[in-house]
Amino acid sequence: AQSVSQHNHHVILSEAASLELGCNYSYGGTVNLFWYVQYPGQHLQLLLKYFSGDPLVKGIKGFEAEFIKSKFSFNLRKPSVQWSDTAEYFCAHTGRRALTFGSGTRLQVQP
Amino acid sequence: EAGVAQSPRYKIIEKRQSVAFWCNPISGHATLYWYQQILGQGPKLLIQFQNNGVVDDSQLPKDRFSAERLKGVDSTLKIQPAKLEDSAVYLCASSLSGGGPNEQFFGPGTRLTVL
Repeated sequence: AQSVSQHNHHVILSEAASLELGCNYSYGGTVNLFWYVQYPGQHLQLLLKYFSGDPLVKGIKGFEAEFIKSKFSFNLRKPSVQWSDTAEYFCAHTGRRALTFGSGTRLQVQP
Repeated sequence: EAGVAQSPRYKIIEKRQSVAFWCNPISGHATLYWYQQILGQGPKLLIQFQNNGVVDDSQLPKDRFSAERLKGVDSTLKIQPAKLEDSAVYLCASSLSGGGPNEQFFGPGTRLTVL
């Protein structure tokens, strides 16, 4: 069975700090990896995704993620966070069907 | 382009009552999903439709939950009877086709509180 692990449940950063959120998945088949974000009061929306090609993928709002096959990881990064990045971030994986989500990381950016 | 629509946005019921949620996916999206998101957890798939057929309902508690997508467009999810542990946000999502790299678009969700 597929599973996704997010190690950081709650992260507090100051503006301009760098961000890295960990994500590990367990699935030996086709890899399709996603990061979704949920801003306060809004619905889930896609940040970025990886399914083939360059393992370093760039998404919206300056986010990027690196797929490392040997580590079964897909960590999310941003060099300099802003207060508006305060949100909950979910890593997810899908094989042939629906998404399997991690438990989420709540990011709080302090001005 | 209109997004995924859900109603109601909030619902409070007592245990053993029944409740129904409605979802209208993005036009042209063949695949529709219902997820349950319990506080502090990531969304968990309940059921996936491809057009009006069920692709995956392995995690749907079928003794109390049912869902349908009769015309291959909008969908309803029903709980009867509700239990306290059903308190959660119910998310509907749609995609052009199922699985793989296809992006799923999510609705705003229905927050259910069972007292």
